[in-house]
Amino acid sequence: IAGITQAPTSQILAAGRRMTLRCTQDMRHNAMYWYRQDLGLGLRLIHYSNTAGTTGKGEVPDGYSVSRANTDDFPLTLASAVPSQTSVYFCASSDSAGGIGTDTQYFGPGTRLTVL
Amino acid sequence: GQNIDQPTEMTATEGAIVQINCTYQTSGFNGLFWYQQHAGEAPTFLSYNVLDGLEEKGRFSSFLSRSKGYSYLLLKELQMKDSASYLCAVRDGDYKLSFGAGTTVTVRA
Repeated sequence: IAGITQAPTSQILAAGRRMTLRCTQDMRHNAMYWYRQDLGLGLRLIHYSNTAGTTGKGEVPDGYSVSRANTDDFPLTLASAVPSQTSVYFCASSDSAGGIGTDTQYFGPGTRLTVL
Repeated sequence: GQNIDQPTEMTATEGAIVQINCTYQTSGFNGLFWYQQHAGEAPTFLSYNVLDGLEEKGRFSSFLSRSKGYSYLLLKELQMKDSASYLCAVRDGDYKLSFGAGTTVTVRA
């Protein structure tokens, strides 16, 4: 593994089903993030984690939950999927969340989710 | 809330120069980032500005004016591979990134 991986690459899901998107990074970054990207709206922050064991809500958290049991993994769960959650989901990580230096966020390849 | 504006689309000829403008109004400011995103791929980091002025990195340069809430990304000697979306993102007072909707640049031969 090099960088950030996400799984699955794409998924078609029936409304009402539960779904977990997986994200793993091997850079030992403290901070991790989940974004959704919709046409014309840009990337919007769903949830974030500044360090293992802590999580926070972003701009559009409703209908999503996250956990951060360790440094490497940051899964995103849709408890009961709805069609408005059809989107491309990107996981990202950065060395820290405290604005130390550049603190660039690096993105995974994305998961394309369609909810019917 | 955060407000980040950039043009939706731009078209330019191979070998030319294109300037993508970004204006922002955010709660606090801790730096401005530019990312490149090819269709169907992840955003990749291009540049970072936290102080006023110009940052040059090869064919790409980025400028920031904090007092005006303004940045631009300058792409020189355009190549076909530069056809992509360019995302302006501002790190706010809570150290969270807010993104503009992106500018799609099409390079024509």
